[in-house]
Amino acid sequence: QQQVRQSPQSLTVWEGETAILNCSYENSAFDYFPWYQQFPGEGPALLISILSVSNKKEDGRFTIFFNKREKKLSLHIADSQPGDSATYFCAARGNNAGAKLTFGGGTRLTVRP
Amino acid sequence: EAAVTQSPRNKVTVTGGNVTLSCRQTNSHNYMYWYRQDTGHGLRLIHYSYGAGNLQIGDVPDGYKATRTTQEDFFLLLELASPSQTSLYFCASSGDSAETLYFGSGTRLTVL
Repeated sequence: QQQVRQSPQSLTVWEGETAILNCSYENSAFDYFPWYQQFPGEGPALLISILSVSNKKEDGRFTIFFNKREKKLSLHIADSQPGDSATYFCAARGNNAGAKLTFGGGTRLTVRP
Repeated sequence: EAAVTQSPRNKVTVTGGNVTLSCRQTNSHNYMYWYRQDTGHGLRLIHYSYGAGNLQIGDVPDGYKATRTTQEDFFLLLELASPSQTSLYFCASSGDSAETLYFGSGTRLTVL
């Protein structure tokens, strides 16, 4: 049973549009939600993260919106660029899970010029 | 810049074969992890470790052993490889808060 779910599995947007990647979770004990970005042939790298005490986190063109009541979050990529084409993973860590991160299935984003 | 190095980059073996994947980190991190990545499943945790000699079981441990020989080195062992273990394997390290995982470049394993 997957505890962290992502949708859509793949997404294509035009350059300049806002890409919206969705994530949901089941475990109420999750309190930290990082998003990782992975380019082909490379390992994932931390992009942006949010704690459950916040409902929004911005870093340049990247924004996380978090809804604790609905157990949902989303990553918005404003003014998408072809260089943003990558796979994005939502992850979650519980406050009682030590150092374990649980990852979602990923969203493959393609930005067309 | 945090550094995690995996070897080999690619490995092909046969069913029943014995495989060892290696990982070294130079970040002075206590935590190290082994994940497998499969389309549709994302990254799934196999084993992880907090320091030399320590081993914690992850979410998909069946068919895998791991050993942490030093703070720097973490190995993943497949003693009787099966085709279902064909996957892309990633090693990662993190500090004690685990707020950031630093991943290696991966090992692609094919079991024929």
